[in-house]
Amino acid sequence: DQQVKQNSPSLSVQEGRISILNCDYTNSMFDYFLWYKKYPAEGPTFLISISSIKDKNEDGRFTVFLNKSAKHLSLHIVPSQPGDSAVYFCAASADDYKLSFGAGTTVTVRA
Amino acid sequence: DTGVSQDPRHKITKRGQNVTFRCDPISEHNRLYWYRQTLGQGPEFLTYFQNEAQLEKSRLLSDRFSAERPKGSFSTLEIQRTEQGDSAMYLCASSLGGQPDGYTFGSGTRLTVV
Repeated sequence: DQQVKQNSPSLSVQEGRISILNCDYTNSMFDYFLWYKKYPAEGPTFLISISSIKDKNEDGRFTVFLNKSAKHLSLHIVPSQPGDSAVYFCAASADDYKLSFGAGTTVTVRA
Repeated sequence: DTGVSQDPRHKITKRGQNVTFRCDPISEHNRLYWYRQTLGQGPEFLTYFQNEAQLEKSRLLSDRFSAERPKGSFSTLEIQRTEQGDSAMYLCASSLGGQPDGYTFGSGTRLTVV
């Protein structure tokens, strides 16, 4: 059962514009949410996270928004840069050790 | 310490053969995790260790799979009697304690069963 869903397999954005990635989840027990970035032939690397007690977390160009009532989170990247081209995974945790991942969104930033 | 190392990077095996993968975590990390990623999907949890103790196994980990972490250092994941459905990227990660954003992933072992 897919508890974390990323319904957009791909996103293409112009350099300098905003990238918005979306993620939905079904498990009400999830209390911690993360975004990972993955380049080809490398493992996922942690990007940004948010606890369920918050609705926004910002780190430089990256902002994650959480809407618990809608079971929805999003990642905003502003401004998008060519180096942001990668696969982005949304992940969620209901405990302190196991992550449930979405299927990923491939972001392409056009020059 | 340069991060989490996995060996081999690629493995091609014939159906029915046994394979073993190795993961060397970051040395001070007490937790080690195995995930599997198939094409077009995100990583799926297989199992995790705290020091040398294997504390949880996913139902994805059939009887043909076994993982060990002797002395709480490196870990091995063995698949016996491989099937074509075992073809995937096997990812190892480690962390110090239970902070989910403290995970560091390795680059993975890509298994192809022919």
